[in-house]
Amino acid sequence: RKEVEQDPGPFNVPEGATVAFNCTYSNSASQSFFWYRQDCRKEPKLLMSVYSSGNEDGRFTAQLNRASQYISLLIRDSKLSDSATYLCVVIGNNNAGNMLTFGGGTRLMVKP
Amino acid sequence: SQTIHQWPATLVQPVGSPLSLECTVEGTSNPNLYWYRQAAGRGLQLLFYSVGIGQISSEVPQNLSASRPQDRQFILSSKKLLLSDSGFYLCAWSVAGITDTQYFGPGTRLTVL
Repeated sequence: RKEVEQDPGPFNVPEGATVAFNCTYSNSASQSFFWYRQDCRKEPKLLMSVYSSGNEDGRFTAQLNRASQYISLLIRDSKLSDSATYLCVVIGNNNAGNMLTFGGGTRLMVKP
Repeated sequence: SQTIHQWPATLVQPVGSPLSLECTVEGTSNPNLYWYRQAAGRGLQLLFYSVGIGQISSEVPQNLSASRPQDRQFILSSKKLLLSDSGFYLCAWSVAGITDTQYFGPGTRLTVL
């Protein structure tokens, strides 16, 4: 089982739609969680952190479910510019200590 | 402000040839530095990280190596490239002592033929 798993998609949605992605992680001791955004052929950029109480940033809402070991990202009122790959990131404990473990990403395509 | 540079942006190399990718960071001191590889359609894989000059930790055994000759310079090398080395190589930095917020460079897209 992969440490961090995501549905690769693509999720094809019309402008204005609400879309949600889930990500599951295997290490129950994981402490920190993030969503990164990666545009085609570009570097990943931090989108938002995920807190236990959930957090919202404009049209984006991130939530954590520790019992079921998954995090989610909800995007409301999708824009064309939201088209990208969304990477789930978990702070995992490996040989390096607390390092980022990336999921394979979920691709979102917002259509006019 | 801090900036991170990588070069070259793209590279096409024959199997068996050597490799040298460079990453430099500006605007910060004693950063943690990281090399990741992203194969087509896959997630980022941490290859190496460094917490200081001359200190390199390898996450995945392979035919790649890394060096940190200066505080803000991180180099990824290979003596003989394999086809499986193709991918998108990303350098990242974080503040010393903190690993959870990392900032990525623009990446080098390597194709081994």
